[in-house]
Amino acid sequence: SAVISQKPSRDICQRGTSLTIQCQVDSQVTMMFWYRQQPGQSLTLIATANQGSEATYESGFVIDKFPISRPNLTFSTLTVSNMSPEDSSIYLCSVEDRGVTDTQYFGPGTRLTVL
Amino acid sequence: RKEVEQDPGPFNVPEGATVVFNCTYSNSASQSFFWYRQDCRKEPKLLMSVYSSGNEDGRFTAQLNRASQYISLLIRDSKLSDSATYLCVVNMTHNDMRFGAGTRLTVKP
Repeated sequence: SAVISQKPSRDICQRGTSLTIQCQVDSQVTMMFWYRQQPGQSLTLIATANQGSEATYESGFVIDKFPISRPNLTFSTLTVSNMSPEDSSIYLCSVEDRGVTDTQYFGPGTRLTVL
Repeated sequence: RKEVEQDPGPFNVPEGATVVFNCTYSNSASQSFFWYRQDCRKEPKLLMSVYSSGNEDGRFTAQLNRASQYISLLIRDSKLSDSATYLCVVNMTHNDMRFGAGTRLTVKP
């Protein structure tokens, strides 16, 4: 399976600021996704990062709050904008395994705390 | 009804026990099914896919009942290292994955 890295691994941010999270994959992948996992809860899909076009957002998530870039087939960024304490969460990117349809593998996650 | 619903747990079992996790899903058109394992403060990792015929990987057996919209994961001969949260994941349509809330397992000596 693909090797996925995320930066930063964790951060503590002030209310009202923005943080950009990077996701790097060691091979070209068609599908990349961004998830959020709030404390004690399961994963919720934020958006699908599409290469060369705008991301596709799930209900409840908007581009102004979570802008996403996907400049190529190995890299994506998620920005958490104008943060509030409610944005404190783990943010995970995932990729679809091209060899196994519909199977996703996850990066190590970014643990964000907003004060 | 939640899209994916799991046993709430937690499960606390002794080493060597057999434990079964249950999961139901709401969308009868769902296409593929998985169990992921998530250790504390780590990302989810694929444990196994679930096929209609049922599949086994060592001590782990997964079963799918499409008619009942039900998935299970059985762990035999539990080890301390099996302690984790187990996530039932259903792919509603292509790449529309929905996660259960997870069931926490603690295996005790």
